[in-house]
Amino acid sequence: GDSVTQMEGPVTLSEEAFLTINCTYTATGYPSLFWYVQYPGEGLQLLLKATKADDKGSNKGFEATYRKETTSFHLEKGSVQVSDSAVYFCALRSSSNTGKLIFGQGTTLQVKP
Amino acid sequence: DAGVIQSPRHEVTEMGQEVTLRCKPISGHDYLFWYRQTMMRGLELLIYFNNNVPIDDSGMPEDRFSAKMPNASFSTLKIQPSEPRDSAVYFCASSLGLLAGGRTDTQYFGPGTRLTVL
Repeated sequence: GDSVTQMEGPVTLSEEAFLTINCTYTATGYPSLFWYVQYPGEGLQLLLKATKADDKGSNKGFEATYRKETTSFHLEKGSVQVSDSAVYFCALRSSSNTGKLIFGQGTTLQVKP
Repeated sequence: DAGVIQSPRHEVTEMGQEVTLRCKPISGHDYLFWYRQTMMRGLELLIYFNNNVPIDDSGMPEDRFSAKMPNASFSTLKIQPSEPRDSAVYFCASSLGLLAGGRTDTQYFGPGTRLTVL
């Protein structure tokens, strides 16, 4: 079945460091791909998404490119801030015929001043 | 808009008791989702509705769990009887639709209900 694999956390970085969180997926067809962020005590918020191969999603300085050849959707940010500390989830939706999101296990990011 | 509203935010109950979690989706959203988050299993979809009709309940763990959506602005997730392994954070989410692209298929999550079954 469809699945999402994220890099293990936690990831600890200093402020202004470069961030990469790896995400790979297994799916038939052409899924939509998402990154969600969860701040402590809150629900998930959509960070960015991409719906077809080579699309780049971007928001708040974060970017991710849909790479079908490598089945990846890695999250990147050039300069992280303390306020980016949160749990990041990669997810896929296999087609427009279903509402089901399949999530990775989440990666905790801690940014230190 | 107030966003997705869930109640209660925290629930502590004893094994064997009935638990009811509540959700009010964003007005105008046609889809409502119930998710469960645990350390062991991560985030899992339990069930989702379209226009108040259950579409996919394959994630509902067993007959002790039931979900209803009597109208477009209210849904419940009931566990009866509850067990310690049901302890988790339960999220409700809603979306306009399923069409990829734009904001239509974006799922907006509520703050969650943290359930503890003793």
